[in-house]
Amino acid sequence: EAGVTQFPSHSVIEKGQTVTLRCDPISGHDNLYWYRRVMGKEIKFLLHFVKESKQDESGMPNNRFLAERTGGTYSTLKVQPAELEDSGVYFCASSQAWTTEQFFGPGTRLTVL
Amino acid sequence: GQQVMQIPQYQHVQEGEDFTTYCNSSTTLSNIQWYKQRPGGHPVFLIQLVKSGEVKKQKRLTFQFGEAKKNSSLHITATQTTDVGTYFCAGQNRGSTLGRLYFGRGTQLTVWP
Repeated sequence: EAGVTQFPSHSVIEKGQTVTLRCDPISGHDNLYWYRRVMGKEIKFLLHFVKESKQDESGMPNNRFLAERTGGTYSTLKVQPAELEDSGVYFCASSQAWTTEQFFGPGTRLTVL
Repeated sequence: GQQVMQIPQYQHVQEGEDFTTYCNSSTTLSNIQWYKQRPGGHPVFLIQLVKSGEVKKQKRLTFQFGEAKKNSSLHITATQTTDVGTYFCAGQNRGSTLGRLYFGRGTQLTVWP
């Protein structure tokens, strides 16, 4: 069984540019989550999809972040325009149910210069 | 808002010594999960505790969930170099934000041979 995949693995952009991160969850997992870890700090929740619907987006920092999950399969997270404080590792995770283990992808390391 | 505190932030031990990391939530949790992240890797699920006072063992690892479901601990007996990594606790709440994981800051374990 393939795990959660994320693309790209690294992205270096300049302040003000746009970046789109992609996540492919484990097949059959309706629940998809985005998290972010800023250097030295805890892993912070961004949002939770159930199929194509946003169940909880209370962790999205501001309206520069836009997440989509068209058709309930893969998800994208767009940051536009990027700011310096957006740098960090963005993890995607998926799970079968809300209360079961979450399978994390390898993460996308975003650096905003 | 909800907070999960985890101590210590760093722990350096010699191979064969024991190791414990502690987690404390500001609110009562529905369940708590533990994850391990190897250097350069992503969080990997270890275990989930659901019941008040629950204790679970995985070989040299012992996990406990407090009676009030607000604190938890992970104890490793006789550490090995393969135990190196960052250990995260992550709690879930009841209600509409159930899927969301609230992560502690993690304990980074270093094991000297």
